[in-house]
Amino acid sequence: AQTVTQSQPEMSVQEAETVTLSCTYDTSESDYYLFWYKQPPSRQMILVIRQEAYKQQNATENRFSVNFQKAAKSFSLKISDSQLGDAAMYFCAYRRRSRGGQGAQKLVFGQGTRLTINP
Amino acid sequence: DVKVTQSSRYLVKRTGEKVFLECVQDMDHENMFWYRQDPGLGLRLIYFSYDVKMKEKGDIPEGYSVSREKKERFSLILESASTNQTSMYLCASSSTGTGVFFGQGTRLTVV
Repeated sequence: AQTVTQSQPEMSVQEAETVTLSCTYDTSESDYYLFWYKQPPSRQMILVIRQEAYKQQNATENRFSVNFQKAAKSFSLKISDSQLGDAAMYFCAYRRRSRGGQGAQKLVFGQGTRLTINP
Repeated sequence: DVKVTQSSRYLVKRTGEKVFLECVQDMDHENMFWYRQDPGLGLRLIYFSYDVKMKEKGDIPEGYSVSREKKERFSLILESASTNQTSMYLCASSSTGTGVFFGQGTRLTVV
């Protein structure tokens, strides 16, 4: 079974600085997706960034980027120029690539990292 | 924009009651999911459905059942609510090749 581990329950960063959230995962699959989701106090889960395992290039979305190390099964999220609105719970998630059929779309989540932004 | 709507933001129910949590999506997604979220445990999959009337158990199905009579609607049922089912419940939907989209969550308290 696939597992996702986030070893940092809480992180804090000064506004405008850079922070990196860690995630490791375990799978025997070779083709899969990895995601970072953000959950602000409103509780709505928002997709931040997505990485396809077959792509060597790290995904980037504005101030958010990932460091994907497939051999090490590591998938960290870097937030540059942190803003107060970035304060939230961040969840790392895994999904194997769909080959059709049952269960292909299930997301497996880590335990989450609570990020605090200090003004 | 994809919209996943859960019928209630907050619910308070008594032990032993039958509880229905409703979820509707408007993007014709074939896959729908119910997750439970607890502090320190992340999100855990209760049940999912990949088609109308089709369902599969997730990681923690005990004490829950589901119903999917129409493609857009996926209901989570607590047959006899217990205090250990007090939690945040998140519904989600997806289609092949898309991301997974979440509702706003239902915070259920069982007293």
